[in-house]
Amino acid sequence: KAGVTQTPRYLIKTRGQQVTLSCSPISGHRSVSWYQQTPGQGLQFLFEYFSETQRNKGNFPGRFSGRQFSNSRSEMNVSTLELGDSALYLCASSLVGRTNYGYTFGSGTRLTVV
Amino acid sequence: AQKVTQAQTEISVVEKEDVTLDCVYETRDTTYYLFWYKQPPSGELVFLIRRNSFDEQNEISGRYSWNFQKSTSSFNFTITASQVVDSAVYFCALSPPIIQGAQKLVFGQGTRLTINP
Repeated sequence: KAGVTQTPRYLIKTRGQQVTLSCSPISGHRSVSWYQQTPGQGLQFLFEYFSETQRNKGNFPGRFSGRQFSNSRSEMNVSTLELGDSALYLCASSLVGRTNYGYTFGSGTRLTVV
Repeated sequence: AQKVTQAQTEISVVEKEDVTLDCVYETRDTTYYLFWYKQPPSGELVFLIRRNSFDEQNEISGRYSWNFQKSTSSFNFTITASQVVDSAVYFCALSPPIIQGAQKLVFGQGTRLTINP
C-alpha cells in the first residue's frame, strides 16, 4: 500500500515568487492536512481538507492557501514568498469517521526561500 | 485552547540505557486523542501510538511503553534498552475532538534523543 507522497522533495525559490506543493494521500484517505515545521515555531497546523472543502485553518496569513481535488489529492500554494516561509512542509492523510483514526505523514517538501 | 509541552529539548544516553520522554498536555475537552511520532533525519513523521482520552491503560510494544495519566495530564514514553536506531526527534501531539469532522494535531516542541554507542 503506497504511503503519502509529497512532491517535490526540495525546492528553492526567490522572495516574492509563489510556490505550489503537492500531496497524494493514501488510497481511501479523504482527509488531507498540511503542517509547517520550522526550527523556531516547531510543527504548526496550516489547514485541513475533506471532500474538496477546507474544514479547518490554522493561524497563517492569506498568502497560504490550498485546495483538494475530487481524487483527494491536495495542493498548497504560498504566494509572495518571504524568507520566513523557509520550512519543511508536511502533509498528512487520514480516514474520516466518528473517531480519530490517526494520521499518516509524507516525507515532506523542504522549501528554501532566498 | 490546547497545548502540549515537552520540557526535555534534548536527551543523550548511552546505548542499552532506559530513557523516558515526558509529555504534558492542556485541554478543556473531555474527549481527545494523544499521539507520539518519531522523526528521523529523513524528515517523515512516523506514527508510534494513538491513545483515546477514555483509555488510561498503559501500553507496551516491544521496547516501547507509554504511561497515560489523566490526573496529571501526562502521556510519557519510555524506551527500554535503547539502541542507536532510536536516535531521532520525538513529538507528542494532541488532537481535539472532531468538530464537524475537522481534524488537526497540536504538537509539542519535540525532544531530540541521541543514543550513543
